[in-house]
Amino acid sequence: AQKVTQAQTEISVVEKEDVTLDCVYETRDTTYYLFWYKQPPSGELVFLIRRNSFDEQNEISGRYSWNFQKSTSSFNFTITASQVVDSAVYFCALSENNDMRFGAGTRLTVKP
Amino acid sequence: DTEVTQTPKHLVMGMTNKKSLKCEQHMGHRAMYWYKQKAKKPPELMFVYSYEKLSINESVPSRFSPECPNSSLLNLHLHALQPEDSALYLCASSQEVTLVSAGELFFGEGSRLTVL
Repeated sequence: AQKVTQAQTEISVVEKEDVTLDCVYETRDTTYYLFWYKQPPSGELVFLIRRNSFDEQNEISGRYSWNFQKSTSSFNFTITASQVVDSAVYFCALSENNDMRFGAGTRLTVKP
Repeated sequence: DTEVTQTPKHLVMGMTNKKSLKCEQHMGHRAMYWYKQKAKKPPELMFVYSYEKLSINESVPSRFSPECPNSSLLNLHLHALQPEDSALYLCASSQEVTLVSAGELFFGEGSRLTVL
């Protein structure tokens, strides 16, 4: 079965700092998808990005960027110039065979 | 606003009650999901419906009974629950369900269930 590890349980930064959230995954399949979701206090899981296993290009979207490295089975997420509104729990997830599994999540607190 | 609507947002029930959680989406998605999330834990998959048929049941106890009346609606019927079943129940939908990936999941805000 696949497995997702987010070793950072909680991270606290001051506004405008850059922060990287780590995600390491395990899978035996060659075809899979990786995701990042944000869960604000409201409870809803907000989709941030999906990446398939054949696309190792890094992606940047505004202040967000993702670094996918199959060699280290990692899919890390960086927020540049963090803002208070970025405070949330962030989940990395792995999907294969119609089954999406989430990591334990990283609680990010951005202080003003 | 989320495009997946869940009702009720909060539910308190006794162990002998029968209640239902409801989920609705109008994005034309053909797959719908129930996840359970305990406090400070990640969501755990419970059920997956694909084209209104149950395709995945993650060994969930029979006191949880899912139902998919049509492609837009997903219910979770609750009966004889235990206090440890108290959690946030999240519904999600996705456009595609392939052999590989569930695609992007759109989540509702969840129904917070408390069992007394």
